[in-house]
Amino acid sequence: AQKVTQAQTEISVVEKEDVTLDCVYETRDTTYYLFWYKQPPSGELVFLIRRNSFDEQNEISGRYSWNFQKSTSSFNFTITASQVVDSAVYFCALKINQGGKLIFGQGTELSVKP
Amino acid sequence: NAGVMQNPRHLVRRRGQEARLRCSPMKGHSHVYWYRQLPEEGLKFMVYLQKENIIDESGMPKERFSAEFPKEGPSILRIQQVVRGDSAAYFCASSPSPRSQGYTDTQYFGPGTRLTVL
Repeated sequence: AQKVTQAQTEISVVEKEDVTLDCVYETRDTTYYLFWYKQPPSGELVFLIRRNSFDEQNEISGRYSWNFQKSTSSFNFTITASQVVDSAVYFCALKINQGGKLIFGQGTELSVKP
Repeated sequence: NAGVMQNPRHLVRRRGQEARLRCSPMKGHSHVYWYRQLPEEGLKFMVYLQKENIIDESGMPKERFSAEFPKEGPSILRIQQVVRGDSAAYFCASSPSPRSQGYTDTQYFGPGTRLTVL
């Protein structure tokens, strides 16, 4: 069975701190896809990144970076120099088939205080 | 290029009424997914549709819930005889066909419909 675990339910930081959101996944498939989505207080879901299982290169996009490690089945997300606008719920998700359903973690609510 | 559209954004129903949620995918997308987010819970997959075809409905409750994606028009998620436990945010996502040029299987989400059952 496939599963995604985001052990951190809530994180609170002060602006400009770095913060890492953990994501651990379970699957027996060798081909799979990992995603992060952001859900700000307004409620919509915003796509952040997609990774396939064959690409373990870490990725950086501005203040955001992602660390994919197959050895530990983790796909962690780091925000550098956090800002108040980063306050949101962040979801990690797994997909095993192209065109298939997303399996979401429970989400981590990040609160960045000024 | 408009994103995924969902309407209504907010829907209030009394117990026993029907709720109809509509989703128009992004232009060029032929795959639609419905997810439900119950209060204090994560997102759970409900159903995956292509035009005129249900591909995977493993997450749909066995009774009262149905979904369609007709050849013309939006996808519809229909909940008959709503109960209080149906109160949730319902999200639709879309992705292009695997046969389309520059295919990526990323699912792009609409803003959601918040259903409240009184």
